[in-house]
Amino acid sequence: DVKVTQSSRYLVKRTGEKVFLECVQDMDHENMFWYRQDPGLGLRLIYFSYDVKMKEKGDIPEGYSVSREKKERFSLILESASTNQTSMYLCASSSRDEAFFGQGTRLTVV
Amino acid sequence: QKEVEQNSGPLSVPEGAIASLNCTYSDRGSQSFFWYRQYSGKSPELIMSIYSNGDKEDGRFTAQLNKASQYVSLLIRDSQPSDSATYLCAVGRDNYGQNFVFGPGTRLSVLP
Repeated sequence: DVKVTQSSRYLVKRTGEKVFLECVQDMDHENMFWYRQDPGLGLRLIYFSYDVKMKEKGDIPEGYSVSREKKERFSLILESASTNQTSMYLCASSSRDEAFFGQGTRLTVV
Repeated sequence: QKEVEQNSGPLSVPEGAIASLNCTYSDRGSQSFFWYRQYSGKSPELIMSIYSNGDKEDGRFTAQLNKASQYVSLLIRDSQPSDSATYLCAVGRDNYGQNFVFGPGTRLSVLP
């Protein structure tokens, strides 16, 4: 059974904190993605990676950074959390034909 | 113009009816198209992928693609209450690594 695992289901952080969201996949996929999902806006791509130590900006990278030191792990970093980053964050890894999603992290910034 | 557009719904159909979900996209060069289903509080899961013009059937689901009209649809036959979910249309931006762009989703409600 394929697995994409995100480190937390729910997080509450304070404004200005540095926040780390971790994602691990066991499918040996080269491609990994971070999305955020907001009501009425759908899934929006933050960053993606095609290979270890490689990263590309998505549609809304501002305020975020990523790290991919190992093939199976892709981390999303909020350098200084703000209230407008309150959202559901979804990690995915993909083959050519399908993206597999983690269970999501609901982040609240207060 | 948004890259991928869907009617947000909610779309309500009676049990046993055909549900028709529509999606349009702006990039004429897109080559790959996907339908995901997302239950409330859950992650999206793939229902169907389609790459060529025409119809592709899988059980009660049929995906239809018309690249000239930049239109892709999903038909659900014999709709069941368990089909009630949000359906996301996704379009592949490139042929390497499958960088997807998602539509906002259509919420479907199947009434018993």
